[in-house]
Amino acid sequence: GNSVTQMEGPVTLSEEAFLTINCTYTATGYPSLFWYVQYPGEGLQLLLKATKADDKGSNKGFEATYRKETTSFHLEKGSVQVSDSAVYFCALIDDKIIFGKGTRLHILP
Amino acid sequence: NAGVTQTPKFQVLKTGQSMTLQCAQDMNHNSMYWYRQDPGMGLRLIYYSASEGTTDKGEVPNGYNVSRLNKREFSLRLESAAPSQTSVYFCASSEGWEADTQYFGPGTRLTVL
Repeated sequence: GNSVTQMEGPVTLSEEAFLTINCTYTATGYPSLFWYVQYPGEGLQLLLKATKADDKGSNKGFEATYRKETTSFHLEKGSVQVSDSAVYFCALIDDKIIFGKGTRLHILP
Repeated sequence: NAGVTQTPKFQVLKTGQSMTLQCAQDMNHNSMYWYRQDPGMGLRLIYYSASEGTTDKGEVPNGYNVSRLNKREFSLRLESAAPSQTSVYFCASSEGWEADTQYFGPGTRLTVL
């Protein structure tokens, strides 16, 4: 069946560091891929998405490219801020939506 | 425009008690969802309603029932609560089913003693 695997956290970085959170997937069809972010005490909100191979989603300085050949959708940001501290979820929709287990990110000032 | 609202925010139950979690959206979305979030498990889909008048099981439906009361409202019922149902419950909605952004409520933190 379909699945999403993302790197385990927590990930701790200093402010202005480069961020990568890995996400790989397995799917029988051609899924759409998403990154959601959850700030403390809140529900999830969409960060970015890509609906077909080679698409790049971007928002708030974050970006991720849909790589069909490596079945990956890694999240990157060039310079993180303390306000980026949150839990990040990779997800796919094929016949139904599946979320990864989440990666907690801590940014130190 | 409130988006997705959930009530209550917190609830403590004793084993065997029943309760209903309420969810409403004001975005005229067709699809609605209930998830539970547990440490180390991410989000798991309990039930969803692809459109008004339909409901389907997700990944972890046992012990739950749902009602799509109308286009706006989608409730989740625990008939006989168990400690294993201690979790944070999120409701979400989306305009359609395929490849659509989901909008989440703030969550209900449920503890079953």
